[in-house]
Amino acid sequence: QLQLQESGPGLVKPSETLSLTCTVSGGSISSSTYYWGWIRQAPGKGLEWIGTIYYLGSTYYNPSLRSRVTISVDTSKNQFSLKLSSVTAADTAMYHCARVAATTGYYHMDVWGKGTTVTVSS
Amino acid sequence: DIQMTQSPSSVSASVGDRVSITCRASQGISSWLAWYQQKPGKAPKLLIYAASRLQSGVPSRFSGSGSGTDFTLTISSLQPEDFATYYCQQGNRFPLTFGQGTRLEIK
Repeated sequence: QLQLQESGPGLVKPSETLSLTCTVSGGSISSSTYYWGWIRQAPGKGLEWIGTIYYLGSTYYNPSLRSRVTISVDTSKNQFSLKLSSVTAADTAMYHCARVAATTGYYHMDVWGKGTTVTVSS
Repeated sequence: DIQMTQSPSSVSASVGDRVSITCRASQGISSWLAWYQQKPGKAPKLLIYAASRLQSGVPSRFSGSGSGTDFTLTISSLQPEDFATYYCQQGNRFPLTFGQGTRLEIK
């Protein structure tokens, strides 16, 4: 059974870079039919898609975050990662990684990690 | 970006009730819509994809319909475990976007 697990610091200082890793177990990240993504949820708010990556490295980012976001993949470790630079308190959120099912250009998230809370504070 | 608007924002219902939640896209997305259920402190769970296809393991009391810009999630007979927040998501094009959520509460 496929499982995703987020890891990384729970506290990041303002202006610094948030770095998270998602480890995929029970399946290969190098699948031709899936992408991999990051979604976040600020306290008491809705879901916000951050970005998505294919195992070969192609990426898609939310335009509202594009200037600060980098998503990368390490197929040898079956992991993908998120970096968000110049963080502010507005980036405080639960961050989820997810498997993105892709069928002829249609995308939905069918397996989710439990999420990790990141707080931006000095 | 494609904007997704859900209604209502919240709804109160009783066990056994039939409940419908609607989602409207700001432009046509064919049938490329998914529905998720989220309980407090938990990750979202995929219920429906491609507007009407039930994800494996999801009870048949959940159903989805619609195409183009207007979609509906229906729960035919509410069970205690169904009280949660529901989100729609368009998967037609990047950036992927979600509705603001509908909170389903016990009456």
